[in-house]
Amino acid sequence: GAVVSQHPSRVICKSGTSVKIECRSLDFQATTMFWYRQFPKQSLMLMATSNEGSKATYEQGVEKDKFLINHASLTLSTLTVTSAHPEDSSFYICSARPETAPSSYNEQFFGPGTRLTVL
Amino acid sequence: KQEVTQIPAALSVPEGENLVLNCSFTDSAIYNLQWFRQDPGKGLTSLLLIQSSQREQTSGRLNASLDKSSGRSTLYIAASQPGDSATYLCAVATDSWGKLQFGAGTQVVVTP
Repeated sequence: GAVVSQHPSRVICKSGTSVKIECRSLDFQATTMFWYRQFPKQSLMLMATSNEGSKATYEQGVEKDKFLINHASLTLSTLTVTSAHPEDSSFYICSARPETAPSSYNEQFFGPGTRLTVL
Repeated sequence: KQEVTQIPAALSVPEGENLVLNCSFTDSAIYNLQWFRQDPGKGLTSLLLIQSSQREQTSGRLNASLDKSSGRSTLYIAASQPGDSATYLCAVATDSWGKLQFGAGTQVVVTP
């Protein structure tokens, strides 16, 4: 159980276009989902916390108008990279926290990641 | 601001040896600490989660300890195998929502 999927797994796009990445919890409901990005040879950096039915909370330095997050249901959160540029090329990973998890437990389950390449 | 450091950055051992991976964090006010495995180009696999009130967790050949007061955790992998080759990340939960602060990881290579 506790599977999180991401779609697409890999995307190549032209500079200036927008790209949408989906994160789904397949067998549980997730009130909270997180979006991370990872540059080559570096660790994961939290971009934003996505809460179902409310606005996402962005980390300092992350442009909310560039990285649009929509958490429309308890099983789906989307990240849209608007007007993508080569510097946005990265590995984007989402995670989901089960709705039923006690707040003290906080276990998260991670998706397989999406490799974005902007030409 | 919480900072998480992992030492060493890379490690190569012959098959059968025990692995010891270190993680340190600057702020002891954590909710939990998790160890993850990441294979090249892939997502994360959770290995062990230690609650802030616990001192260790075990799963098979893996054992993780947590010393909150000194800001340290250690992951032990017994009798390493080539399949253990991966990058190992530790992360601390910094709030009740589960926001994670990651270390940079330790890249492990186990040679046959």
